Amino acid sequence: DAGVIQSPRHEVTEMGQEVTLRCKPISGHDYLFWYRQTMMRGLELLIYFNNNVPIDDSGMPEDRFSAKMPNASFSTLKIQPSEPRDSAVYFCASSFGHTIYFGEGSWLTVV
Amino acid sequence: AQSVAQPEDQVNVAEGNPLTVKCTYSVSGNPYLFWYVQYPNRGLQFLLKYITGDNLVKGSYGFEAEFNKSQTSFHLKKPSALVSDSALYFCAVSLFTGGGNKLTFGTGTQLKVEL
Repeated sequence: DAGVIQSPRHEVTEMGQEVTLRCKPISGHDYLFWYRQTMMRGLELLIYFNNNVPIDDSGMPEDRFSAKMPNASFSTLKIQPSEPRDSAVYFCASSFGHTIYFGEGSWLTVV
Repeated sequence: AQSVAQPEDQVNVAEGNPLTVKCTYSVSGNPYLFWYVQYPNRGLQFLLKYITGDNLVKGSYGFEAEFNKSQTSFHLKKPSALVSDSALYFCAVSLFTGGGNKLTFGTGTQLKVEL
């Protein structure tokens, strides 16, 4: 299996622009997670889905962030409008059972 | 609430020597415990997990970890360190419920293995 696939791997955008991060989970996995990693706050769970349904979005920092999972093989995390403090690495992860498998991350820089 | 503490920001060890990366946890109930490794500019890679059963679990790349319920610890160990083991290591805990496996991560420990 190819693992969890994320795109883009790197993005530099200007403040105020919309950013869309994409994720393809491992086939057959029923849970999908979005994490954010920063030096200051470490790894934070933003939101997770079960069978395409959002279960817990309490980690989403504010209304500028939204996530969708229209089908079992695709999810997006959108930031609109983006701000410099959103600069971070965003990880998508998926699981079937106990072990969660992570993608390589989307490295976002907002200038 | 669940939490994980990794008391050392960095661990230095000479190649060939044994290594230990410490982790303690706090959770109400029976924990599920995990170790992940992150190489520079990469995602997190699963190393090993404790769910139930034998307190000593073996994982990838020769790593192992021991679950100690009385000390609420899950330290990562390797008998002989390699320079290629140098990376950032994360301990994580969860309570697997019908609502899914929400992992709470520690702050990470940078392992540096020197020749």
